[in-house]
Amino acid sequence: GEDVEQSLFLSVREGDSSVINCTYTDSSSTYLYWYKQEPGAGLQLLTYIFSNMDMKQDQRLTVLLNKKDKHLSLRIADTQTGDSAIYFCAESIPGRGYQKVTFGTGTKLQVIP
Amino acid sequence: GAVVSQHPSRVICKSGTSVKIECRSLDFQATTMFWYRQFPKQSLMLMATSNEGSKATYEQGVEKDKFLINHASLTLSTLTVTSAHPEDSSFYICSALGQGYEAFFGQGTRLTVV
Repeated sequence: GEDVEQSLFLSVREGDSSVINCTYTDSSSTYLYWYKQEPGAGLQLLTYIFSNMDMKQDQRLTVLLNKKDKHLSLRIADTQTGDSAIYFCAESIPGRGYQKVTFGTGTKLQVIP
Repeated sequence: GAVVSQHPSRVICKSGTSVKIECRSLDFQATTMFWYRQFPKQSLMLMATSNEGSKATYEQGVEKDKFLINHASLTLSTLTVTSAHPEDSSFYICSALGQGYEAFFGQGTRLTVV
């Protein structure tokens, strides 16, 4: 079955890098995603990575995927106060004719000025 | 990126009434849409997977007669909370799968049952 886990909380100083980690159990994942949720808002897709890729970089965001260890990470360079939010990783798993997206527990990122 | 519109963003209803939430993919066709429920300070719980033209697939523990899902077209899925009770108060979020299997989310609906 699918199970996606994240640490609950991360605190960093403004300007430092943040690394949010995620582990998953289903090796048949096709896509892995990172979403950002600001207070009272929906989810914003930040980036995603194909399961056959090791790394993807998009401006300040770097996604690393270790498929052997089923470990996904999101690095935010030069973290800003506006990056404070809850970050969810998610995996997309093939189902019966469709893809099923399952979310992690979310990591609350606090950026200290 | 692709846009998914969810409506309404907030709704307050009386106990015992039904509420319909709409999820539309505005600039792409989505054969698959998902409905999630999020409790305060918790992650999203997948309620059901909605496939256009067929019956929705509900997750274990989700009452299909209470949470009616209709995916009548490639751009619209609706979730109807029937005979709502205060314990149904929650944040409901839909998402739609794009062609490349990217999952795009609506902004969510805050349902309060009084």
